[in-house]
Amino acid sequence: QVQLQESGPGLVQPSQTLTLTCSVSGVSVDDSLYYWSWIRQFPGKGLEWIGYIYDSGNTYYNPSFSRRVSMSKDTSKNQFSLKLASVTVADTAIYFCATGDSNWFDPWGQGTVVAVSS
Amino acid sequence: QSVLTQPPSASGTPGQRVTMSCSGTTSNIGGNTVMWYQQVPRTAPRLLIHSDNQRPSGIPDRFSGSRSGTSASLAIGGLESDDEAEYFCATWDDSLKAWVFGGGTKLTVV
Repeated sequence: QVQLQESGPGLVQPSQTLTLTCSVSGVSVDDSLYYWSWIRQFPGKGLEWIGYIYDSGNTYYNPSFSRRVSMSKDTSKNQFSLKLASVTVADTAIYFCATGDSNWFDPWGQGTVVAVSS
Repeated sequence: QSVLTQPPSASGTPGQRVTMSCSGTTSNIGGNTVMWYQQVPRTAPRLLIHSDNQRPSGIPDRFSGSRSGTSASLAIGGLESDDEAEYFCATWDDSLKAWVFGGGTKLTVV
């Protein structure tokens, strides 16, 4: 059974870089069948896909994030990570990690709340 | 403002069949398959339907999906109180080059 768990700071200051980690159990993050995604949910409930990492470290990011986002994998820890630079109040959200193949996201982690505030 | 449009609310009584819609454009639903997610408050979304009408293992056949033109629908038959949740649709958008979601429909079982 694949399970995911997000971790990271609950509070980030504006203009700083947000770093989140997703710990995976039940499957290797190196398994080429899986895509490892980050998705966020705003306080008003809207969902936004951020991007995914797959295969040996290939990445694809939502163009709306421009060059602010980067993702990586740590196979020794069976984790993958998200870095979001130059955060603003608009980046306040619940951040979920999720997996799946190229056509769906399932399962998801329980989510971690991130607030951007000084 | 979400790319895909869903009615904000829907309701039904136990045992009833409820249908909810998801409207898009030729850049998204018009050319790509649709997923549906269920989100109970304070939990992560759960995949109900992928590839328009395919149920993952463990999802009851009371849940069904369809797609026609630039719209998609999720139907829930034999409504149960546990079905009270938020329902989101999602698909790939060829113009935005990203996965996009609907704003969600809150289902109330009265």
